[in-house]
Amino acid sequence: QVQLQESGPGLVKPSQTLSLTCTVSGGSISSGGYFWSWVRQHPGKGLEWIGNIYYSGGTYYNPSLKSRITISVDTSKNHFSLKLSSVTAADTAVYYCARRSAAGGANDAFDIWGQGTMVTVSS
Amino acid sequence: DIQMTQSPSSLSASVGDRVTITCRASQSITNFLNWYQQKPGKAPKLLIFAASSLQSGVPSRFSGSGSGTDFTLSISSLQPEDFATYYCQQSYSNVFTFGPGTKVDIK
Repeated sequence: QVQLQESGPGLVKPSQTLSLTCTVSGGSISSGGYFWSWVRQHPGKGLEWIGNIYYSGGTYYNPSLKSRITISVDTSKNHFSLKLSSVTAADTAVYYCARRSAAGGANDAFDIWGQGTMVTVSS
Repeated sequence: DIQMTQSPSSLSASVGDRVTITCRASQSITNFLNWYQQKPGKAPKLLIFAASSLQSGVPSRFSGSGSGTDFTLSISSLQPEDFATYYCQQSYSNVFTFGPGTKVDIK
């Protein structure tokens, strides 16, 4: 059974870069068939899709965050990563990694999620 | 971006009640609509994909319907473990967007 686990600092200073990693277990990223995504949730608020990556390295980002985001994949370590630059307090959120099908069509949903990691931006 | 709205924003219900939550998209998304359940401190859980397909392992009391711009999530007989927040999400466009959520709590 595929499981996702986020890791990274829980506290980041303003203007610095937030860096998180999502480790995939129980399956291989390089087997294809899925996009690997990041979603965040501001405290007490709804969900915001950040972006996703395919095992080959192809990415798609939320245009509202695109200028600050880099998502990368390391198939040898079976993990993918998020970097969000120039953070402010508005980036304080729970960050989730998630898997979605690359099969196309309407069967395109985030079917497996990590447990989430809280990141606070504060000096 | 495609905007998603949900109604109501919250509701109170009793165990055994039938509950219906509505989701509306700002443009037609055909059936590219998913529903998630989220409990406090937990990750969202996929319930319904493609508007009406039940995710494996999800109880059959959950059902989804709709197409185009209007969708519903129904719970036929609310159980204690169903008290949670429910989100819809569209996958029609390359920029995925979620509804603001509907919180279901105990009356």
